[in-house]
Amino acid sequence: DIVLTQAPDSLAVSLGERATINCKSSQSVLFSSDNYNYLAWYQQKPGQSPKLLISWASTRVSGVPDRFSGSGSGTDFTLTINNLQAEDVAVYYCQQYYSPPFTFGGGTKVEIK
Amino acid sequence: EVQVVESGGGLVQPGGSLRLSCAASGFDFSTYWMTWVRQGPGRGLEWVANIRSDGYVEGYADSVRGRFTISRDNAKNALYLQMNNVRVEDTAMYYCVKGNSGYVHWGQGTWVTVSS
Repeated sequence: DIVLTQAPDSLAVSLGERATINCKSSQSVLFSSDNYNYLAWYQQKPGQSPKLLISWASTRVSGVPDRFSGSGSGTDFTLTINNLQAEDVAVYYCQQYYSPPFTFGGGTKVEIK
Repeated sequence: EVQVVESGGGLVQPGGSLRLSCAASGFDFSTYWMTWVRQGPGRGLEWVANIRSDGYVEGYADSVRGRFTISRDNAKNALYLQMNNVRVEDTAMYYCVKGNSGYVHWGQGTWVTVSS
């Protein structure tokens, strides 16, 4: 099974600053035939179902603010939240859908400093 | 509007069985893969199982393989998760999710507690 390791487990960022979350995969999730990375990012606020932010490693879902961006390829990926807002307080997860079981990372909790 | 609504959760004893259901609406259910994802109390997300649109291909997490069975009824727009020989560690919120890559639509979840 593919293991996704997120870092850090938690971070506190001042309002308006940048939050950076890393996700490292135990094997490449880049599919050579289409050159897509089969990786997604989710946001989960307390008491709510997860919300998809980014698919294919860097494609922002419609309606997601452009302060959220995804980057990386192969085994190393990053979710960046620029200009952090109070409503961004949540747990963020990466997920690979390259090879079943479609595993999730352990999550990163983002708080306001 | 796409909707998936889970039901069937509750309290079950270790070794017992439970069947979860998911009612789907607002999309052509018979053309989509469907997935179950769970989240234990205070824990992260865990992918549980998925099933192809025609019902002929299933996938399972190692932690549930041989105990849980995913199925669907395309005529009823319904997804199921039969949980047998449940364990305390199966205690979780169980989410029904539309799709197989980048999950846009999630239900609100149904809670399963395994305890004696």
